Amino acid sequence: EPEVTQTPSHQVTQMGQEVILRCVPISNHLYFYWYRQILGQKVEFLVSFYNNEISEKSEIFDDQFSVERPDGSNFTLKIRSTKLEDSAMYFCASRREDNYGYTFGSGTRLTVV
Amino acid sequence: DQQVKQNSPSLSVQEGRISILNCDYTNSMFDYFLWYKKYPAEGPTFLISISSIKDKNEDGRFTVFLNKSAKHLSLHIVPSQPGDSAVYFCAASRSGSARQLTFGSGTQLTVLP
Repeated sequence: EPEVTQTPSHQVTQMGQEVILRCVPISNHLYFYWYRQILGQKVEFLVSFYNNEISEKSEIFDDQFSVERPDGSNFTLKIRSTKLEDSAMYFCASRREDNYGYTFGSGTRLTVV
Repeated sequence: DQQVKQNSPSLSVQEGRISILNCDYTNSMFDYFLWYKKYPAEGPTFLISISSIKDKNEDGRFTVFLNKSAKHLSLHIVPSQPGDSAVYFCAASRSGSARQLTFGSGTQLTVLP
């Protein structure tokens, strides 16, 4: 069964450092997403990406965040200057155009110290 | 922002019996609803979904019921198995958007052998 692959599974970074979280969506999917879950809280939408541009973003997705699809397979989330409150599980997801059900990756646990 | 609510943080059920997980929503623009299952350290796994034009959808042991007038949906698992023990998230999306998901806070289901 096709999978969404995320790397790394766990990243520890110092406050103020830049991090890049990587994702390989399912190859025939056209919509790509990032979500995050702070420990003990809900899974929250960050950003959606379609046709090589951001289609929607939440209030969480401020100027410190950016996304990129640098080639035909990877989809990345960059946090420019990490804060302690960015510590969370970050999930990448993708879906086909004709299906509203997503496939999620297994997540990257980001710990900012 | 409590657009999707799961009021029961936990539920324990005996193996072989029915599990009923409940979800309420407030945004009448939602027209597609999904249930996801999540194990620790993994991403959410899609279980079953329902469009707002239906009131029931069934897939094997899983059935989702939608009551639009009450803005309520439920997931029934029959019969429950120990392997069903996980956190179950209700999620909703609306048309005219990138179909980003708004999640509930989750219900921890424990199926006792």
